[in-house]
Amino acid sequence: NAGVTQTPKFRILKIGQSMTLQCTQDMNHNYMYWYRQDPGMGLKLIYYSVGAGITDKGEVPNGYNVSRSTTEDFPLRLELAAPSQTSVYFCASSYGRETEAFFGQGTRLTVV
Amino acid sequence: AQSVTQLDSQVPVFEEAPVELRCNYSSSVSVYLFWYVQYPNQGLQLLLKYLSGSTLVESINGFEAEFNKSQTSFHLRKPSVHISDTAEYFCAVSDIYNQGGKLIFGQGTELSVKP
Repeated sequence: NAGVTQTPKFRILKIGQSMTLQCTQDMNHNYMYWYRQDPGMGLKLIYYSVGAGITDKGEVPNGYNVSRSTTEDFPLRLELAAPSQTSVYFCASSYGRETEAFFGQGTRLTVV
Repeated sequence: AQSVTQLDSQVPVFEEAPVELRCNYSSSVSVYLFWYVQYPNQGLQLLLKYLSGSTLVESINGFEAEFNKSQTSFHLRKPSVHISDTAEYFCAVSDIYNQGGKLIFGQGTELSVKP
């Protein structure tokens, strides 16, 4: 019963490097989301998807890209890492608007 | 657009005392309302939600929240807290017309229960 799985759990990047945060869910949810969490700021939506092949920007999309080629996977790409992207990243999925969003365990990213 | 304000960033209480975590929201359209809880080094879990109907909603572990449309509030309460309730609590809203079901979160309230 995996739910939402994120990899890696921790990562240190140097400024200018790129990386992909992986997210997969096994609940056959159509909706998937990427949030970042910063202390005292709550969670901010980066990108979301309502189904395979469909993605849209959230509140803070700059510096990130996503793709959704399958229902299960929703990777988040950082192209040129900046210190401002130091954060904890959460992937989530849900069946629909009225239903519970299930969150992964998070990826703690530090950019130095 | 929606916004959520959690009025207290930290709430320290003693075990078995009552607690209220305050949440106010702003929206030009009708919203769904949620409370999520985050235990240390974990993701968020749904605590309770309001979609429609009775304005008082309850969770399985003794929390309740009341939707007050006139005051645009959704405060979370528990009559007697336990040490295990220590966590960060997030209030969130979702536009009922939004296809994507996006959640807009408040800043979070850190509940610390002391013995």
